[in-house]
Amino acid sequence: DTGVSQNPRHKITKRGQNVTFRCDPISEHNRLYWYRQTLGQGPEFLTYFQNEAQLEKSRLLSDRFSAERPKGSFSTLEIQRTEQGDSAMYLCASSLSAPNEKLFFGSGTQLSVL
Amino acid sequence: QKEVEQDPGPLSVPEGAIVSLNCTYSNSAFQYFMWYRQYSRKGPELLMYTYSSGNKEDGRFTAQVDKSSKYISLFIRDSQPSDSATYLCASRDSYDKVIFGPGTSLSVIP
Repeated sequence: DTGVSQNPRHKITKRGQNVTFRCDPISEHNRLYWYRQTLGQGPEFLTYFQNEAQLEKSRLLSDRFSAERPKGSFSTLEIQRTEQGDSAMYLCASSLSAPNEKLFFGSGTQLSVL
Repeated sequence: QKEVEQDPGPLSVPEGAIVSLNCTYSNSAFQYFMWYRQYSRKGPELLMYTYSSGNKEDGRFTAQVDKSSKYISLFIRDSQPSDSATYLCASRDSYDKVIFGPGTSLSVIP
C-alpha cells in the first residue's frame, strides 16, 4: 500500500490558464475527497466521490472547477481560467465508505497562479 | 459561525510539557471526531479517531470528547520537538463530509 498519491506536487501557472491535478487513492478505498487549503486555514471541502459517482459538491465551488473519477479509481480536478484567488494547496483524501471511515490524505498539489 | 472552531495559536511550550489543544463545534449531528497532525508542506495525518463522548488514549496522546458542551480536546504528554506541527480537529456525522477547524500551530522548544 503506497498511500494516496497526488501529482504534480507543485504547479505554477499564469492567470487564465487551465490546470489539471491527479489523485490516485489507496487501492481498496471507494471514497475520494478533494479539499483546498490556504495558509493558516484548515482544509476546506470541495467535492467527494463514492466509486465513480460524485455525491456532493461544495456550494463555494465555482463552475470553473470540475472533478471526475471515471472508473472509480483515480480522480482529476480541473480548474479552468485560473484566478489568483485559486492559489492554494489542493488535497486529495480517500477512505472506505463504512460509517466510521477514516480519511487518509495525500501530500497535496501546491498551485500558484501568477 | 464556522462549524468547527479552534484557537489558531501559535502555542509554544518547552520540551517535556503537557500540551492541551482545544476545539469546539456547533453541529449536534456530529458523531465522529478526529485530530489530524500536519507538518509544513505535507498533507494531514490522522492521529486520533473517536466516536461520541469519552476518552481515547494512544501512547502520549489522549483525545477527549464532551458532546454535552460540544468540546473536543487533545492532550500530548511529554511533548517532543517532533510534535511541532499544526493540529487540526475535525468532525462529521454518520454519512457526511469531514469538516475541519482552522488548526492550532504548536512549537515544542528543546
